[in-house]
Amino acid sequence: AQSVTQPDIHITVSEGASLELRCNYSYGATPYLFWYVQSPGQGLQLLLKYFSGDTLVQGIKGFEAEFKRSQSSFNLRKPSVHWSDAAEYFCAVVPLYSGGGADGLTFGKGTHLIIQP
Amino acid sequence: NAGVMQNPRHLVRRRGQEARLRCSPMKGHSHVYWYRQLPEEGLKFMVYLQKENIIDESGMPKERFSAEFPKEGPSILRIQQVVRGDSAAYFCASSPGLPNTGELFFGEGSRLTVL
Repeated sequence: AQSVTQPDIHITVSEGASLELRCNYSYGATPYLFWYVQSPGQGLQLLLKYFSGDTLVQGIKGFEAEFKRSQSSFNLRKPSVHWSDAAEYFCAVVPLYSGGGADGLTFGKGTHLIIQP
Repeated sequence: NAGVMQNPRHLVRRRGQEARLRCSPMKGHSHVYWYRQLPEEGLKFMVYLQKENIIDESGMPKERFSAEFPKEGPSILRIQQVVRGDSAAYFCASSPGLPNTGELFFGEGSRLTVL
């Protein structure tokens, strides 16, 4: 069965330090890949997405993610975090065999990012 | 603001009552999705609707839950005879339909508390 794994439930990073959030998926073929961010009490906002082409994608708020087919991973990175980055981060995938439609969208359980001053 | 609008933002119900959650998609979007989020959990897909049609309800509980997206007006997620386990945040998302890339635009959610 298809699945999305975010191995880290909580991550604590000092302000100004670099960040990497992990995401692994299991599908038969390369899916569409997304990272969403959810601030407390808010809905989800799309950070970035990968459909095809360059495996390093840039998103909003200074985030980037790299698709690695050999590792079935799509890790999210940021060189220097700010206190406002504290939030819940969700990786999501849509398998192409579903036609790419959002009804096939599967979310990971999320990683809670805590920023230390 | 032409974003996805959900109301109410917060809803308190006693066991056995009905809860109705509304969602107006972004302007120009014809596809609506409902997700449920439990504490410490990710988002679980519930139902996918287009105008007047339920496309995929594989994530909906078999009883007490229903959804609609009428020709006019918002999409409604209805929970009858609520129980404490229904307490959760319910998120609506919309997409334009074409191109169908899987990218969704989310509302801010409706938080249901069942006493």
